[in-house]
Amino acid sequence: DVKVTQSSRYLVKRTGEKVFLECVQDMDHENMFWYRQDPGLGLRLIYFSYDVKMKEKGDIPEGYSVSREKKERFSLILESASTNQTSMYLCASTSTGGTDTQYFGPGTRLTVL
Amino acid sequence: QKEVEQDPGPLSVPEGAIVSLNCTYSNSAFQYFMWYRQYSRKGPELLMYTYSSGNKEDGRFTAQVDKSSKYISLFIRDSQPSDSATYLCAMYDYKLSFGAGTTVTVRA
Repeated sequence: DVKVTQSSRYLVKRTGEKVFLECVQDMDHENMFWYRQDPGLGLRLIYFSYDVKMKEKGDIPEGYSVSREKKERFSLILESASTNQTSMYLCASTSTGGTDTQYFGPGTRLTVL
Repeated sequence: QKEVEQDPGPLSVPEGAIVSLNCTYSNSAFQYFMWYRQYSRKGPELLMYTYSSGNKEDGRFTAQVDKSSKYISLFIRDSQPSDSATYLCAMYDYKLSFGAGTTVTVRA
């Protein structure tokens, strides 16, 4: 059974804090993605990575950075959290081409106070 | 203007009804079209995947793509309470672009 796990289901942080969201997949997938999901806006791509130590900006990278030191792990970093980063964050992975099925984690609901 | 437009609903139907969902898009480069289903407090999971214009059927689910009109649809026949979820369309050129998602409730 394929598995994408995210480190936390719920997280509450204060404005200005540095926040780390971790994602791990056990399918040996090359490609990993970070999205945020907001009502009425759907899923928006923040960053993606197609290989270890490689990263590409998505549609809304401002205020975020990522790290991929190992193939199975992709981290999203909020350098200085702000209230407008309160959202549901979803991690996904896929094997090769972008047309392959994306497998999603359960999401992390982040609230920034 | 968003690349992918999807009415967020919500949509409420009685059990056994046909559910009709649709998305429009503006990017002619989209070649692959998908529908994801997302249950409450879960991540999305792939439901249907189509490449060309036309229909694709999988059990009670039918996906339609009309590239000339830039319009895709998902139909759920004989809907069940277990179909209650948010349905997201997604389209691929060099990356996946998602619609906003339509929340569907099937009433028993």
